[in-house]
Amino acid sequence: QKEVEQNSGPLSVPEGAIASLNCTYSDRGSQSFFWYRQYSGKSPELIMFIYSNGDKEDGRFTAQLNKASQYVSLLIRDSQPSDSATYLCAVNFDGANNLFFGTGTRLTVIP
Amino acid sequence: DAGITQSPRHKVTETGTPVTLRCHQTENHRYMYWYRQDPGHGLRLIHYSYGVKDTDKGEVSDGYSVSRSKTEDFLLTLESATSSQTSVYFCAISEWMTGANTGELFFGEGSRLTVL
Repeated sequence: QKEVEQNSGPLSVPEGAIASLNCTYSDRGSQSFFWYRQYSGKSPELIMFIYSNGDKEDGRFTAQLNKASQYVSLLIRDSQPSDSATYLCAVNFDGANNLFFGTGTRLTVIP
Repeated sequence: DAGITQSPRHKVTETGTPVTLRCHQTENHRYMYWYRQDPGHGLRLIHYSYGVKDTDKGEVSDGYSVSRSKTEDFLLTLESATSSQTSVYFCAISEWMTGANTGELFFGEGSRLTVL
C-alpha cells in the first residue's frame, strides 16, 4: 500500500517565524520527493524536490530527507503572508511512473 | 509556465450523461496524467499515459476511460457521470518519470465538474 501522510493542519505561524511542514511515506525504496504549493482555487506548483538524504536549501525554503525514517520535511524561514497556502508532499515510489500525493497541510501566516 | 490547457474549465452536468475533459500540451512531454482533487483526499491519480496510445490505470480509475491519439492531447471520459465524480480534475505533464532523477509534474489550471 503506497501512502503519503501529512498533518492536514491548519498550521498558523506569525510573520517572520519558521514554518515546519512534515510528511511520512510508506515505501522505503522511494526514489524522489517533491513539495508543491497550492493557493486556493489554483493548481499545484513545484517548490522543491529532493533525492538524497540530508538538507537541500533554496532561498527561504529547506527540504530535509531521512530515508531511514521515511520522513521528508519542508522548512520555510522568515514566513510571509504570501506563503499562506496548502503544501502538498509528493513521492515517486520505486518503479512507479507517477507521483503519490499527501492530502496537504494548510499553512496560514499571520501578519 | 508550461503550456497546458484544460477544457472545459467548468462544467455542470446531470447524472448519467457522458462527459469528456480535454488536456492539450505544447511541451511535447512524454507523460500525461489525470488527477482528481477532493477535500480530505488530496490529489489522486485516475489514469496516465506514457506515449501515444499507451495508457495505464491509477488508484481511482473505475468509471473513467482515457485516450491519447496524439502526443499533445489526453482525453478523460466519464461514460455515465455520477455525483461521486463531482470534483476538480487536474491534468499534468512530465518529461520523464523513471529512475532516480524523476521529473517534476507541471499542472494545468484544473476543470471543475459538478454532477447533479
